[in-house]
Amino acid sequence: QKEVEQDPGPLSVPEGAIVSLNCTYSNSAFQYFMWYRQYSRKGPELLMYTYSSGNKEDGRFTAQVDKSSKYISLFIRDSQPSDSATYLCAIANTGNQFYFGTGTSLTVIP
Amino acid sequence: DAGVIQSPRHEVTEMGQEVTLRCKPISGHDYLFWYRQTMMRGLELLIYFNNNVPIDDSGMPEDRFSAKMPNASFSTLKIQPSEPRDSAVYFCASSQQVNTEAFFGQGTRLTVV
Repeated sequence: QKEVEQDPGPLSVPEGAIVSLNCTYSNSAFQYFMWYRQYSRKGPELLMYTYSSGNKEDGRFTAQVDKSSKYISLFIRDSQPSDSATYLCAIANTGNQFYFGTGTSLTVIP
Repeated sequence: DAGVIQSPRHEVTEMGQEVTLRCKPISGHDYLFWYRQTMMRGLELLIYFNNNVPIDDSGMPEDRFSAKMPNASFSTLKIQPSEPRDSAVYFCASSQQVNTEAFFGQGTRLTVV
């Protein structure tokens, strides 16, 4: 079993839709949860960073962590064509362990 | 700081040849990572260094792959001999801690024919 699982998609939504991206992980020891966004032919860039459980909001983006279910989510409100990218979740703990999901490809259609 | 710098951006080589990818991390970052990305397997961690010392190389696919970090400002990933299945985008990233933001380079797109 992989440490973190992510649905690869692809996901295609109309402009303005709410997008939900999700990952599950297997080890409850992980405490740091991140979402990276990767545009075509570019390196991934950090989008959201959360520690432990709860929600974090930044503009149209909300990251949610449910440690009891080992489930992390990224919500995008009012999605825009510029949000079209691959989104990767990442998990880490203080013991030098960290893992990336395989990424979900998102296309927002104008 | 100019960010993580990788070279070359593109590399096309023939099967059996040696390939060397280069990376300059962000100054002050103690961690350096090498990743490989393909459509089939996504982003895979190959190896990472802490203060120039290799910590985990369990992701290195085979002995044909080797990585070095002779100093805090330079690292190489070498494939010898290269094979067509090594074709992928190779990313270098650096961070201050393993559980903080990792900054990625632009990647090296390797094609082995």
